[in-house]
Amino acid sequence: EVQLVESGGGLIQPGGSLRLSCAAAGFTVSNNYVSWVRQAPGKGLDWVSVIYSGGGTYYADSVKGRFIISRDNSKNTVYLQMNSLRAEDTAVYYCAKARDRYNYGGYDYWGQGTLVTVSS
Amino acid sequence: QSALTQPRSVSGSPGQSVTISCTGTTSDVGGYNYVSWYQQHPGKAPKLMIYDVTERPSGVPDRFSGSKSGNTASLTISGLQAEDEADYYCCSYAGSYTFVFGGGTKLTVL
Repeated sequence: EVQLVESGGGLIQPGGSLRLSCAAAGFTVSNNYVSWVRQAPGKGLDWVSVIYSGGGTYYADSVKGRFIISRDNSKNTVYLQMNSLRAEDTAVYYCAKARDRYNYGGYDYWGQGTLVTVSS
Repeated sequence: QSALTQPRSVSGSPGQSVTISCTGTTSDVGGYNYVSWYQQHPGKAPKLMIYDVTERPSGVPDRFSGSKSGNTASLTISGLQAEDEADYYCCSYAGSYTFVFGGGTKLTVL
């Protein structure tokens, strides 16, 4: 059974750093692509970043240069290192698995999300 | 990377049909057949309802259908049921290995 479990969220001051984890089960992260998607309180979904099976990483303009996506194949886990955090980064962060590693057609499994609150 | 445009809300009575639009540009919706739709109930993770513009994952009722014309994709829900009341989001591949979501539409079943 496919499962994604996020962790690492919490309260952090502006300018601080936080690392989120997305532990996967039921599939191999290195054979697929996994994205991070966030949702600010009461707002819509916002695509953040993706790591492809070949290792390529890509980011939304709003986080480029501040966030880094990576993975540990031995732990079957994807990470999101978030630096220089701002109040507008406050959101529930979801990781999501691609339905088909060979195209860009959608995400079929999502984690339960982890809340990041950036506030002094 | 501008968000795709969706109506903020739509509504319908049980048994009726509703359509939610998702408007982008030639750089996203209009340029690729990679539009997906998600249903999200309050406090829950999104659920994939449509992928590749028109395809339904197994387990999703055939009351849900997708289409696209030019830069606008649409999700149609026929035979509305109370449990369909939720937020709906479209998502499109936007080129350069990135994606973009719509702003979301709140569906109310009257």
